[in-house]
Amino acid sequence: DQQVKQNSPSLSVQEGRISILNCDYTNSMFDYFLWYKKYPAEGPTFLISISSIKDKNEDGRFTVFLNKSAKHLSLHIVPSQPGDSAVYFCAASSGNTPLVFGKGTRLSVIA
Amino acid sequence: NAGVTQTPKFQVLKTGQSMTLQCAQDMNHNSMYWYRQDPGMGLRLIYYSASEGTTDKGEVPNGYNVSRLNKREFSLRLESAAPSQTSVYFCASSPTQGAIRGYTFGSGTRLTVV
Repeated sequence: DQQVKQNSPSLSVQEGRISILNCDYTNSMFDYFLWYKKYPAEGPTFLISISSIKDKNEDGRFTVFLNKSAKHLSLHIVPSQPGDSAVYFCAASSGNTPLVFGKGTRLSVIA
Repeated sequence: NAGVTQTPKFQVLKTGQSMTLQCAQDMNHNSMYWYRQDPGMGLRLIYYSASEGTTDKGEVPNGYNVSRLNKREFSLRLESAAPSQTSVYFCASSPTQGAIRGYTFGSGTRLTVV
C-alpha cells in the first residue's frame, strides 16, 4: 500500500502565477517531510523540508504547508518561473527510517 | 565537486547477465541508499546501509545484492538480470539515517535489460 501519495501526475501553470503541488500520506508515524526536485537525466535535489511539529516552512519562493490532521502537505511556488519546470517528489520519514517517496508530479511552467 | 558519483551512467544487459553498479560519496556520510525509478512508480528503495558494516532490505530487494565496501562505497549487484530490472537506479547518501538534512543523490545509472 502506498504510504506517500501524489495524486496529480502533472500540473501546468503560467509563469508568474502560483504553483501548488499536493501530497497525502497514510502513515501517522511520519514526522519529517521533504520535497525534492528532479530535472531530466539528473538525480533528485533537496528543495525544502518540514518537521511534524510545524505547520509551515518558507524558503524564498517555496513554502511547504503541513496539515497533520488531514495527513496532507502542499508545496507552494510563488511566483512560478520556467526554470521550475521539473518533476517534484514528496518524501516522508519516521524516526530513523529511510525516506519513502511519492510517485512525483511533473510541473510545467509556461512562459 | 563533492557529492555522490555513480558508474556507469548507461548500461545495456542481456537477460541473465550480471553486473555491479558502483556508488561512491566523498562527504563522509554514514548512510547510503539504492533507489530505482520507474515511470509512474516514483522512487522505490531497494537496499540501504545505515552505517558501515550494515545493510538492510528496502521495499523492492528481490533480484539484488549490495555490498558496503567501506564508508565511501556502496555497490548494487544484479546476479541474473531480468527485463523487469530495466530502470534508472539512483544512489544516495546522508550524514545519518535520519532525514533531517535530506539525502544527496547521484545522477543515476540508466539500465536496460533486453
